[in-house]
Amino acid sequence: EAGVAQSPRYKIIEKRQSVAFWCNPISGHATLYWYQQILGQGPKLLIQFQNNGVVDDSQLPKDRFSAERLKGVDSTLKIQPAKLEDSAVYLCASSGGQALRNTGELFFGEGSRLTVL
Amino acid sequence: AQSVSQHNHHVILSEAASLELGCNYSYGGTVNLFWYVQYPGQHLQLLLKYFSGDPLVKGIKGFEAEFIKSKFSFNLRKPSVQWSDTAEYFCAVNGSLTGGGNKLTFGTGTQLKVEL
Repeated sequence: EAGVAQSPRYKIIEKRQSVAFWCNPISGHATLYWYQQILGQGPKLLIQFQNNGVVDDSQLPKDRFSAERLKGVDSTLKIQPAKLEDSAVYLCASSGGQALRNTGELFFGEGSRLTVL
Repeated sequence: AQSVSQHNHHVILSEAASLELGCNYSYGGTVNLFWYVQYPGQHLQLLLKYFSGDPLVKGIKGFEAEFIKSKFSFNLRKPSVQWSDTAEYFCAVNGSLTGGGNKLTFGTGTQLKVEL
């Protein structure tokens, strides 16, 4: 079974530039998550989609971050303009059709490591 | 709001030593608790989970964790670690009340290094 696919794996940009990350979840998974993991910290949820609708984006810095999942399958996370503090690994995860509290497992991709200079 | 604390940021053990990683959570309702592991160069994966029932849960590779409700704790244990257990371990909580039901909150992680 194919896992969660993410690209690019690495990206280096200068501050004020823009960047986009792509995620393709496990086939059939309705829920998709984007997490930000800063070095030395645990993953922090940025946004959660259920199919193509947003369930939770309370911790997404909406002045510079945006995300979409137009067809309810793959998703794109964009940062524009980037700041130095955005340097982090951006993790995409997906889970099955049931509520997380019933299945308990998120399946993670390998992440996209962003360095902002 | 739910939160998770992991007290040990870096742990170094010799092979065959016993392991216990601390995890405490803060949440006012019923919780589901998880330990995730990230081996070097790999993605995060589920190690074990607690939903209800027996507070002692067993996971993959000989790991287990005990949920102690009175202490708001979910410590991870392994009687005898191996070099291949070198990884970063994350405790996570999912509150079951409205607003927390589908949100997984992670601790800051514990980097475990097992020496030969």
